[in-house]
Amino acid sequence: NAGVTQTPKFRVLKTGQSMTLLCAQDMNHEYMYWYRQDPGMGLRLIHYSVGEGTTAKGEVPDGYNVSRLKKQNFLLGLESAAPSQTSVYFCASSRPPDRAKNIQYFGAGTRLSVL
Amino acid sequence: KQEVTQIPAALSVPEGENLVLNCSFTDSAIYNLQWFRQDPGKGLTSLLLIQSSQREQTSGRLNASLDKSSGRSTLYIAASQPGDSATYLCAVLNNAGNMLTFGGGTRLMVKP
Repeated sequence: NAGVTQTPKFRVLKTGQSMTLLCAQDMNHEYMYWYRQDPGMGLRLIHYSVGEGTTAKGEVPDGYNVSRLKKQNFLLGLESAAPSQTSVYFCASSRPPDRAKNIQYFGAGTRLSVL
Repeated sequence: KQEVTQIPAALSVPEGENLVLNCSFTDSAIYNLQWFRQDPGKGLTSLLLIQSSQREQTSGRLNASLDKSSGRSTLYIAASQPGDSATYLCAVLNNAGNMLTFGGGTRLMVKP
């Protein structure tokens, strides 16, 4: 089973460039999330989705947009990359919290550098 | 705003020791608490999940406890092994079930 798959694994951008990170899950999960992880700060929630066609802001949404056109995919976009967006990005998926064994499954991460 | 703190930030122990990792959170209105393991350059793997109504969960050599009223959780690792070397993260899920707040992690090294 693939679980949660993120593409690409690495990317280097110049300031002002745009890009889209793709997350795909094959567990039929309703909830999907995008996090960023910076040194010494743990993971912080950027945006999340509780179902196909819905998205919502997390803790640090500025500079990012998301879309959930299909249940299995959750896209994270950077319209105009800034050096402050250099980070490791993680996607996760889960069942709704009222379901048993509601744990979040994580992808392997995308390491992004903005020069 | 929920804040999660993990102490210590780093820990180095000889193989075979029992150890305790600590996690504290400021808002006791949580749905559940999870402990994750992260290996260098990899994603997160869930180790244990404790619902807010539970006091502890066990999996093999791992035991996690939760004291929601005091805002504390501990992860106990028995008979540590070099393969346990990793960063351990705790995270709390809010009651709405839509936001997981993470601590900064404890970086554990178990020396042979």
